[in-house]
Amino acid sequence: DQQVKQNSPSLSVQEGRISILNCDYTNSMFDYFLWYKKYPAEGPTFLISISSIKDKNEDGRFTVFLNKSAKHLSLHIVPSQPGDSAVYFCAASYNNAGNMLTFGGGTRLMVKP
Amino acid sequence: EPEVTQTPSHQVTQMGQEVILRCVPISNHLYFYWYRQILGQKVEFLVSFYNNEISEKSEIFDDQFSVERPDGSNFTLKIRSTKLEDSAMYFCASSRTGRETQYFGPGTRLLVL
Repeated sequence: DQQVKQNSPSLSVQEGRISILNCDYTNSMFDYFLWYKKYPAEGPTFLISISSIKDKNEDGRFTVFLNKSAKHLSLHIVPSQPGDSAVYFCAASYNNAGNMLTFGGGTRLMVKP
Repeated sequence: EPEVTQTPSHQVTQMGQEVILRCVPISNHLYFYWYRQILGQKVEFLVSFYNNEISEKSEIFDDQFSVERPDGSNFTLKIRSTKLEDSAMYFCASSRTGRETQYFGPGTRLLVL
């Protein structure tokens, strides 16, 4: 089941630069998308979300972009900081599925000082 | 800031034994969820729970699994007869409404020997 895919298992970025994490989905019924950050041995921590009625949502250093026609979303982190180093998961849901989240496989972000 | 808590943090059990994983969701949340992550794999949805009943469950959530909200604060996942392949991190999550952000607990690492 590959309804949500993160094709880059890892990404390395220099401190201060932009990090761009990508996510693709196949189920056109998805209408709510989230990004979570996860450190080892901890639960996923919510970062930012976007509804399908929008194409952009911004919260501080984090911006999520949604391209519905391409079934693609991305998370931009500007500027990247060493503390951002973690695994980032995108997740998607739709209304008639008990609000279950379908997760991508994750991208490990490493921000180098 | 309110958070989801889970106990125990680690559980080791013998195959065939029953385990109960416990969660205390955020106090004003009405929707509760269990997810799991097998080592090296995606986070997978198990079950969602609202108004004292299951609203959605995945194929993973077979007759060996059950959930309960025994009182006003706890939410439990029981595995009746554990199998080796049940070894995973189990995450509890809660949300205020069905369409709002799900907040995750730190997880219980279950090891079945």
